[in-house]
Amino acid sequence: GAGVSQSPRYKVAKRGQDVALRCDPISGHVSLFWYQQALGQGPEFLTYFQNEAQLDKSGLPSDRFFAERPEGSVSTLKIQRTQQEDSAVYLCASSFIGEGFGGEQYFGPGTRLTVT
Amino acid sequence: AQTVTQSQPEMSVQEAETVTLSCTYDTSENNYYLFWYKQPPSRQMILVIRQEAYKQQNATENRFSVNFQKAAKSFSLKISDSQLGDTAMYFCAFMEYGNKLVFGAGTILRVKS
Repeated sequence: GAGVSQSPRYKVAKRGQDVALRCDPISGHVSLFWYQQALGQGPEFLTYFQNEAQLDKSGLPSDRFFAERPEGSVSTLKIQRTQQEDSAVYLCASSFIGEGFGGEQYFGPGTRLTVT
Repeated sequence: AQTVTQSQPEMSVQEAETVTLSCTYDTSENNYYLFWYKQPPSRQMILVIRQEAYKQQNATENRFSVNFQKAAKSFSLKISDSQLGDTAMYFCAFMEYGNKLVFGAGTILRVKS
């Protein structure tokens, strides 16, 4: 079946613009994660959904970042009033496991955001 | 907070030889999972191998194996018979209950012909 898809793959935004990044997880996957990967670094956790419930948003760097998954499938990460430090690759991952832990996370190709 | 340290920014290995990538982590938890992920250039991250902390036996997946030393909080990855397609960034990652992954900074592995 299809893997995790993300759109757009590349986004250039002027400082101060709002952006929305989309993630389509693998069908039937309960859990969905967003990570931020700065150039040359490891990904850092942003937020986690189990179905439509946002169970952990401790990694969101500021209140300009907002994520939703209203129907428990597609998720959108929104960044308001983008700043240059928001430039990064945003990775989405999904996992079949809901309760419990340890399940493999399947990653999408990422959205590379460049704020000019 | 949990931390994951990969002390080797870059490694090189000749094709067909063996290489070991190092990873240490810090946690006060007793039950957790450890992962190695591979991120090829301009391609998406894929799982290489997974280890459950309560299992003493080291995980193995074909040419990939780990040396898990729980007391030392060490989790190294050994790649045998290295192939050109193994060239990638390798990330060590830690997961405790709650499912979020904590990644190390990564090791760039270059396989030379």
